[in-house]
Amino acid sequence: DTEVTQTPKHLVMGMTNKKSLKCEQHMGHRAMYWYKQKAKKPPELMFVYSYEKLSINESVPSRFSPECPNSSLLNLHLHALQPEDSALYLCASSQGDRLPFGYTFGSGTRLTVV
Amino acid sequence: DQQVKQNSPSLSVQEGRISILNCDYTNSMFDYFLWYKKYPAEGPTFLISISSIKDKNEDGRFTVFLNKSAKHLSLHIVPSQPGDSAVYFCAATFQGAQKLVFGQGTRLTINP
Repeated sequence: DTEVTQTPKHLVMGMTNKKSLKCEQHMGHRAMYWYKQKAKKPPELMFVYSYEKLSINESVPSRFSPECPNSSLLNLHLHALQPEDSALYLCASSQGDRLPFGYTFGSGTRLTVV
Repeated sequence: DQQVKQNSPSLSVQEGRISILNCDYTNSMFDYFLWYKKYPAEGPTFLISISSIKDKNEDGRFTVFLNKSAKHLSLHIVPSQPGDSAVYFCAATFQGAQKLVFGQGTRLTINP
């Protein structure tokens, strides 16, 4: 298995909703990442988990809350989002200490906040 | 502060010819560079990478060249095929950085 699987593929949520994005990999990678990509822009890093511990938070607003329940799973909990948070949310994983080897992206979740 | 730059937003190439995509960087700490290909509504797909100890890496139709003194790298695709039409991102990192820094992307269109 050489994939990073993200669910759902599409999500529409209201500004008062709470939702979660899920990411899963079974490559034995020990680092997992959340990126955000707006239209016609490059992906921008949000969070890094290394060995299931949060190692980087790129000053992301608290309405985004990451969680790494185990080495294969990464969640992004969403609450009280704004329309400008609408974007493609990408999960990635890599071999951890041997970054950037094996740096693999999922297909993303297209999020629309209404 | 844009540390990785792809100055050409778009490039159009005839099928069968060579496509050359360029990337410049400013951070001297970067020691590993990657190229990703991205179709709409999909995640980036890894194409090829190069370490700063090398100046060239080849994989099939794809070759990446690195000029450290100029802080410049390029991706050559030859021959170009219609399926190569996509947005190409250059990314850079260094050991211990735990993140990739992406350029703005270049939209490549291969014309039949």
